Amino acid sequence: EVQLVESGGGLVQPGGSLRLSCAASGFAFSSYWMNWVRQAPGKGLEWVANIKEDGDEKYYVDSVKGRFTISRDNAKNSLYLQMNSLRADDTAVYYCARVTYYFDSSTSSGVWGAFDFWGQGTLVTVSS
Amino acid sequence: DIQMTQSPSSLSASVGDRVTITCRASQGISNYLAWYQQKPGKVPNLLIYAASTLQSGVPSRFSGSGSGTDFTLTISSLQPEDVATYYCQKYNSAPWTFGQGTKVEIK
Repeated sequence: EVQLVESGGGLVQPGGSLRLSCAASGFAFSSYWMNWVRQAPGKGLEWVANIKEDGDEKYYVDSVKGRFTISRDNAKNSLYLQMNSLRADDTAVYYCARVTYYFDSSTSSGVWGAFDFWGQGTLVTVSS
Repeated sequence: DIQMTQSPSSLSASVGDRVTITCRASQGISNYLAWYQQKPGKVPNLLIYAASTLQSGVPSRFSGSGSGTDFTLTISSLQPEDVATYYCQKYNSAPWTFGQGTKVEIK
């Protein structure tokens, strides 16, 4: 059974730092792209960052570039999000999510696509 | 960056009604489009990927269509358990943007 369990959330002051972790089990973690997605209270979903299987490619939403760093430790089946210079608008539930891989018959190629498994999320509150 | 716009933002329909939600991309994204369902207080759940491929375990009353810039999620016969917010998402390239969501309620 695929499981993703986030941890590390909490209350932090503006300008502070926090490191989120996501422990993965039930699948070959080192073979999948992984993501962080957040959801502010009462708001919609916002993709934050993702990382290639081997960690060689990383992408970020503009609003966190230069402040957040995504990383992974495949030996520990773990995904991380280091968050620095936190602001009030970073307050959200942060989810880790796995990317599904499928075969696209129209292009005869494999595609890294949607997010098929999600953790339960960890709440980050940025407030003084 | 490509923007994803859903319509309507919310809707209310009766049990058994056919419900349609639209998602429009500001530029073409081929069929690299997913739909998610998020029930109140729950984690998002993947319904459809590749614009029209039903994720395993998802009821057949859900269907997706479209390509390029215009996409549709259809619930053929709305059920009480379908009360949720639905999101589209592009995944052709970074950023993997979500639409703003469509809240579906029972009338």
